[in-house]
Amino acid sequence: DTAVSQTPKYLVTQMGNDKSIKCEQNLGHDTMYWYKQDSKKFLKIMFSYNNKELIINETVPNRFSPKSPDKAHLNLHINSLELGDSAVYFCASSQERDRGREQYFGPGTRLTVT
Amino acid sequence: SQQGEEDPQALSIQEGENATMNCSYKTSINNLQWYRQNSGRGLVHLILIRSNEREKHSGRLRVTLDTSKKSSSLLITASRAADTASYFCATALSGNTGKLIFGQGTTLQVKP
Repeated sequence: DTAVSQTPKYLVTQMGNDKSIKCEQNLGHDTMYWYKQDSKKFLKIMFSYNNKELIINETVPNRFSPKSPDKAHLNLHINSLELGDSAVYFCASSQERDRGREQYFGPGTRLTVT
Repeated sequence: SQQGEEDPQALSIQEGENATMNCSYKTSINNLQWYRQNSGRGLVHLILIRSNEREKHSGRLRVTLDTSKKSSSLLITASRAADTASYFCATALSGNTGKLIFGQGTTLQVKP
């Protein structure tokens, strides 16, 4: 069974559109994350939720809005997509927020904005 | 600013050889972790070393941590073609919120 799953795997859309990426984890973890990986493979954290509470919000444009309906799900909604949003977005989860435990990553969503 | 920097950026070796990757960081850490990413896939956690540890082993992996030099190394012994992947170090900062800061990775190619 997949531990951390994301949908869709690929997303191709035009500038100005609004899109969502969904993430679910079945590991019983308390904390979930969104990362963005650019074309040079640089991985940067965007958001983190712990038990549905936002705990990390990096300097991300407010066009990006995470939503956590429950601790097993963390979705990412992006408004008014721009070319620079093209990247691979990874969801991850971990057992404990503190002490920086190992994180479990989803397979990624490759977003292409044309 | 980026916390971890990795060296080399790319490494190509023959099967059976050892591969060593290095990571440097800037601030105090709680622990340092290494992840592997196969092409087109998500990251997979390999090993975690705490700030009060100096060396850790897991199978063919050996990780060292030198907090005085703010550096770590990952050694893969007797490499296999299946080890071909990108390897990332990630630092968990002291007193953190679970946030990991990743280096830019080392791309390892193991030729059969």
